[in-house]
Amino acid sequence: NAGVMQNPRHLVRRRGQEARLRCSPMKGHSHVYWYRQLPEEGLKFMVYLQKENIIDESGMPKERFSAEFPKEGPSILRIQQVVRGDSAAYFCASSPELAGATQYFGPGTRLTVL
Amino acid sequence: AQTVTQSQPEMSVQEAETVTLSCTYDTSESDYYLFWYKQPPSRQMILVIRQEAYKQQNATENRFSVNFQKAAKSFSLKISDSQLGDAAMYFCAYRSGPNFGNEKLTFGTGTRLTIIP
Repeated sequence: NAGVMQNPRHLVRRRGQEARLRCSPMKGHSHVYWYRQLPEEGLKFMVYLQKENIIDESGMPKERFSAEFPKEGPSILRIQQVVRGDSAAYFCASSPELAGATQYFGPGTRLTVL
Repeated sequence: AQTVTQSQPEMSVQEAETVTLSCTYDTSESDYYLFWYKQPPSRQMILVIRQEAYKQQNATENRFSVNFQKAAKSFSLKISDSQLGDAAMYFCAYRSGPNFGNEKLTFGTGTRLTIIP
């Protein structure tokens, strides 16, 4: 049973470009979460999605960031017009539709903005 | 809002010895979950152990066990018989009770554990 898949593992963008990060949840999981880890810090919640629905986006910056989890295909975290401060590791986690279910994490995407 | 505090930025332990990592949290809720995650140099986040607040019994997973003190809002991780592969950052995390919509995890700042051969 494959774990949570994220790609790319490393992404380099120049300031002003767009970054697209992909996450495929574990088989049977319908909930996806995105977290950001700045250097030498813990993970910070960004957004929680179910298929075709954003459930909680309280941790998402108000501008330039968006997330989706379509009926078919992976979840996408999109960052428009990236700035150097967006450089971080972005982790995706997934869980099944069970109250109190544990979240399992992917390997992360390390975004570097030049 | 809930907060999670890990007051030990770094810890070290001799191989085969026992080490305890501290975690405290602040919440007004009575039903919640607590977790320890491990992040080795590969940066993969790996679940170590999970505790439900309504359970009085401390969770145990092989060499890993917790000391959950609900009244004191303390959740420490004990690693017995430390092995070189235990070297990693360890993060304590909190999640509100089982209602849908409460799923986000709140993490502490982590403790870097070094194993001395």
